[in-house]
Amino acid sequence: DSGVTQTPKHLITATGQRVTLRCSPRSGDLSVYWYQQSLDQGLQFLIQYYNGEERAKGNILERFSAQQFPDLHSELNLSSLELGDSALYFCASSVLGFGGEQYFGPGTRLTVT
Amino acid sequence: DAKTTQPNSMESNEEEPVHLPCNHSTISGTDYIHWYRQLPSQGPEYVIHGLTSNVNNRMASLAIAEDRKSSTLILHRATLRDAAVYYCILNRASGGSQGNLIFGKGTKLSVKP
Repeated sequence: DSGVTQTPKHLITATGQRVTLRCSPRSGDLSVYWYQQSLDQGLQFLIQYYNGEERAKGNILERFSAQQFPDLHSELNLSSLELGDSALYFCASSVLGFGGEQYFGPGTRLTVT
Repeated sequence: DAKTTQPNSMESNEEEPVHLPCNHSTISGTDYIHWYRQLPSQGPEYVIHGLTSNVNNRMASLAIAEDRKSSTLILHRATLRDAAVYYCILNRASGGSQGNLIFGKGTKLSVKP
C-alpha cells in the first residue's frame, strides 16, 4: 500500500460525458502528478501540482483539467469523452516538487463506450 | 530529459540474482537515476534511485558506472513476485526542473519457478 488513494476504481461512461477522478496523496506529500496509461501510448505524464499550484504540464488534452485543493487532494476532470480516452489513470505523490521518489495510487480504470 | 535504453525483456530463474541493465549516455550532472517497476494490474512502484554512488535498499541494489552512462538494477534473489516491467528513468533534481517521470517501454522481467 503506497498511501495514495484513488477513487473510483472503475468508471464506465458514454462518449460525450464528463467524469471526475479523485486522488488523495500520502500524508505530508505536497506534489501530485497525474499519468495516463493506455495500451498504445504507455505511461504518459499529464499534469503536476505542487502545494495547490500547477507546476508542470505534459500531454494533457484541452478537454482535460485538474486542480489541487487546500487539503492537497487533487481531481482530474475529463470532459467530452471519446473512445480513445479509455485508459488507466494514475495519480502519484511526492514530498517535493522535483526529484525524489514518487508513490503511485492503484489507478482508476476508465472505459468509454 | 535525457533518454534511457533498456532491453525489451529478460528472463530469470527463481531465487537467482537478476541484473537489469540501463544505458543513459546523454545523462547530465543533475540527473538522478530512478528505477520503478509495475506489477501486472498495479500502479508503478518506486524501487530505488541514485546519483553517483551505488545504492542499496531492502528491495534492490543500484550499481552506477563511474562515467554514469549506464547503470544496473540488481535483484539479489528473484521471486515470482518480482515479475514486472522495470523502468529506468532519469529525473533532474534541481530547483527549476519539473518533477514528472518520463516512462519508456521498460524491461519486462519474467521469473521462472
